Amino acid sequence: EVQMLESGGGLVQPGGSLRLSCAASGFTFTSYAMTWVRQAPGKGLEWVSVISGSGGNTYYADSVKGRFTITRDNSKKAVFLQMNSLRAEDTAVYYCAKGGDDYSFPNWFDPWGQGTLVTVSS
Amino acid sequence: SNELTQPPSVSVSPGQTARITCSGDPLAKQHGNWYQQKPGQAPVLVMYKDTKRPSGIPERFSGSSSGTIVTLTISGVQAEDEADYYCQSIHSRGAEFGGGTKLTVL
Repeated sequence: EVQMLESGGGLVQPGGSLRLSCAASGFTFTSYAMTWVRQAPGKGLEWVSVISGSGGNTYYADSVKGRFTITRDNSKKAVFLQMNSLRAEDTAVYYCAKGGDDYSFPNWFDPWGQGTLVTVSS
Repeated sequence: SNELTQPPSVSVSPGQTARITCSGDPLAKQHGNWYQQKPGQAPVLVMYKDTKRPSGIPERFSGSSSGTIVTLTISGVQAEDEADYYCQSIHSRGAEFGGGTKLTVL
């Protein structure tokens, strides 16, 4: 069974940093890009970042570019999101998901983890 | 614009057909995908590449595409289909989600 398990969320002050982790299992990890998508409380889904299967290509939404960094450790089947200079508007549940196809930037995302909540507040 | 536009809400009675549309320029060149999200749960893929249904998704879910519009159709709606539905596509600068449609089963 393909599964993603996120961790690392919590309460952080504005301007602070946090590192999210996503442990994947049940598929050939290096063959698929991975993505982070977030959802602010009561709001819709917002794509955050994608990393290709090799880790050589990364993509970011304009709202996080320059502040967030996506990486992966293929030996540990894990993907990470380093979040710096956090703002109140970054408060959201952050979901990790597997790319649906084997493109460097996947066309769709499936399946998704259960998410981890990040709260940015003083 | 890379925006995807969905109606905020759709309401249907059990057994009727629900149609949820998603429109936007990215759909002229890229496929649309659909996700179902129930309260407190993670999104679940219910349609990909406009018309393809993942394994485990009931046959009452179908998809179509025309120009810059994709449509998710749920035939014979059941109470369990009440959820938020999001369309998604990709463009040159990344991925985009629609604002979401709340499907209410009356």
